[in-house]
Amino acid sequence: DVVLTQTPSTLSATIGQSVSISCRSSQSLLDSAGNTYLYWYLQRPGQSPQLLIYLVSNLGSGVPNRFSGSGSGTDFTLKISGVEAEDLGVYYCMQATHAPYTFGAGTKLELK
Amino acid sequence: EIQLQESGPGLVKPSQSLSLTCSVTGYTITSGYDWSWIRKFPGNKMEWMGYISYSGSTNYNPSLKSRISITRDTSKNQFFLQLNSVTTEDTATYYCASLLWASFDYWGQGVMVTVSS
Repeated sequence: DVVLTQTPSTLSATIGQSVSISCRSSQSLLDSAGNTYLYWYLQRPGQSPQLLIYLVSNLGSGVPNRFSGSGSGTDFTLKISGVEAEDLGVYYCMQATHAPYTFGAGTKLELK
Repeated sequence: EIQLQESGPGLVKPSQSLSLTCSVTGYTITSGYDWSWIRKFPGNKMEWMGYISYSGSTNYNPSLKSRISITRDTSKNQFFLQLNSVTTEDTATYYCASLLWASFDYWGQGVMVTVSS
């Protein structure tokens, strides 16, 4: 299975600070058709996961544009430009290029 | 809007079967999407378990293939998870979710299942 390594595991931020989360894959996530199936989800406390980013860099429905995704091949980044209180929770990257779908271990974003 | 709701027992004994139901409203499960089960273990690890497609075909995580079955009742717009021979390592929060182009767009609120004697 593809292993996704997220760093850091915990991130402390102040409101308004910009932060980044890294997701590195054990294999390239570029498929033979030129697609890269890398996603980002946020699970807020007490809630279900919510799709933030699909196909590396596309914003999910209703997701604020302070979130952005980038990367290629095996290295991917989620950036939050100006953390807000509602952004606290656990962030997961997920890949769907190689069966089975796999998730990173999660990055907990907390207030400093 | 699509809504999903999991239901089922919160406690299962070791070696028994875990059975959960996902009820879908706002969309007919035979119209599109794949319908998936995902679980989150204590400590945040997430695992995709499998899905049943809108046409009824299934796809399972190989790590569970000998123990898992996902079925559906189209008349009730529900799909189901059965996991056999559970152990304490199957203790987790179980989510159902809709899957479109490999993206889990809609999720249920999750049901916590503990495996314990």
